[in-house]
Amino acid sequence: EPEVTQTPSHQVTQMGQEVILRCVPISNHLYFYWYRQILGQKVEFLVSFYNNEISEKSEIFDDQFSVERPDGSNFTLKIRSTKLEDSAMYFCASRTSGGTYEQYFGPGTRLTVT
Amino acid sequence: GENVEQHPSTLSVQEGDSAVIKCTYSDSASNYFPWYKQELGKRPQLIIDIRSNVGEKKDQRIAVTLNKTAKHFSLHITETQPEDSAVYFCAAIRSGGYNKLIFGAGTRLAVHP
Repeated sequence: EPEVTQTPSHQVTQMGQEVILRCVPISNHLYFYWYRQILGQKVEFLVSFYNNEISEKSEIFDDQFSVERPDGSNFTLKIRSTKLEDSAMYFCASRTSGGTYEQYFGPGTRLTVT
Repeated sequence: GENVEQHPSTLSVQEGDSAVIKCTYSDSASNYFPWYKQELGKRPQLIIDIRSNVGEKKDQRIAVTLNKTAKHFSLHITETQPEDSAVYFCAAIRSGGYNKLIFGAGTRLAVHP
């Protein structure tokens, strides 16, 4: 069964550094999402992406964040200047079009900002 | 704004008992309600979902009920087993948008042998 994959599984970075989190969605999926989960808290929506552009973003997704689909398979989340409070698990998700709403989650990238 | 409330935050049951987790949503335009199970350090896994045109759905030991009028939906797990121990999240999706998931705060279920 196809799965969403994410790399790296764990990223440690210093405050102020840029990080890029990578995701490979399921190949025939058209809608892509990033969510984050601070340790012990609920999963929060960051951004959705469709047809090569951001379709919706949350208040968390400020100017420090950007997303890109640089080629036909990868979907990336960039944080330009990381803060301590960006430490969290970041999940990528994707879904197909049509009548299904089911989103498939990747295994996550644990980002630790020191 | 969009919000999903989930209760209880923790639930402890004996193996074989039933467990019920309840959620309420604020956006009346929500039309899809998935439940995710998350084991420690792992991705959320969809276990069951329900659409707004259905009142109840069952899959073996798990079932979900939806009351659209009251904006409530619940997860029922019967004959619980230790491997059911995890954090369970309810979520809602609003129709007509790009289908972002709005999650509840989660319920940590512990099933004791």
